[in-house]
Amino acid sequence: RKEVEQDPGPFNVPEGATVAFNCTYSNSASQSFFWYRQDCRKEPKLLMSVYSSGNEDGRFTAQLNRASQYISLLIRDSKLSDSATYLCVVRGGVNTGFQKLVFGTGTRLLVSP
Amino acid sequence: DVKVTQSSRYLVKRTGEKVFLECVQDMDHENMFWYRQDPGLGLRLIYFSYDVKMKEKGDIPEGYSVSREKKERFSLILESASTNQTSMYLCASSLARVYEQYFGPGTRLTVT
Repeated sequence: RKEVEQDPGPFNVPEGATVAFNCTYSNSASQSFFWYRQDCRKEPKLLMSVYSSGNEDGRFTAQLNRASQYISLLIRDSKLSDSATYLCVVRGGVNTGFQKLVFGTGTRLLVSP
Repeated sequence: DVKVTQSSRYLVKRTGEKVFLECVQDMDHENMFWYRQDPGLGLRLIYFSYDVKMKEKGDIPEGYSVSREKKERFSLILESASTNQTSMYLCASSLARVYEQYFGPGTRLTVT
């Protein structure tokens, strides 16, 4: 079983739509959670951290459910520029070593006019 | 702005060649990382370093070595390149005890 699992998509949505991605992780001791964004042929960049209480940054909302071990990302009012691959990232807990981040394989989003 | 640069964007090498990939960061970050990214497998950690001359194996260190002689520079070495090392290689850096990693633009290596 992969440590971090995501639906690869692609999610095809029209501009203005709301879209949500989920991600599950296997290590219940995981301590930090992030969403990174990766544009085609570019490097990953941090989109947002995910806090236990949930957090929002403009049109983006991230939530964490520790009991079910999943993380979600909600994008409201999708823009063409949101088209990218979204990587779910988990930092291992105690005994998984140092500051290792585990990356999911990503969910691809395509926003069309 | 943090800047992480990698020596080449594209590289083509022959099987058996020794390959050097260099990464430089300009933000005085303590931690540096090398990943490879392959379709369907995502980013996988090869090696990381949390200080000059220090290195730790990641998930897939076989066939690779690293060198960190200066804080800003982290090199990945393929001792004898093989076709299964054809991949996108990404370098990243971060501050100590801060988990956000900043990535370089990547080197797409093809081994023929």
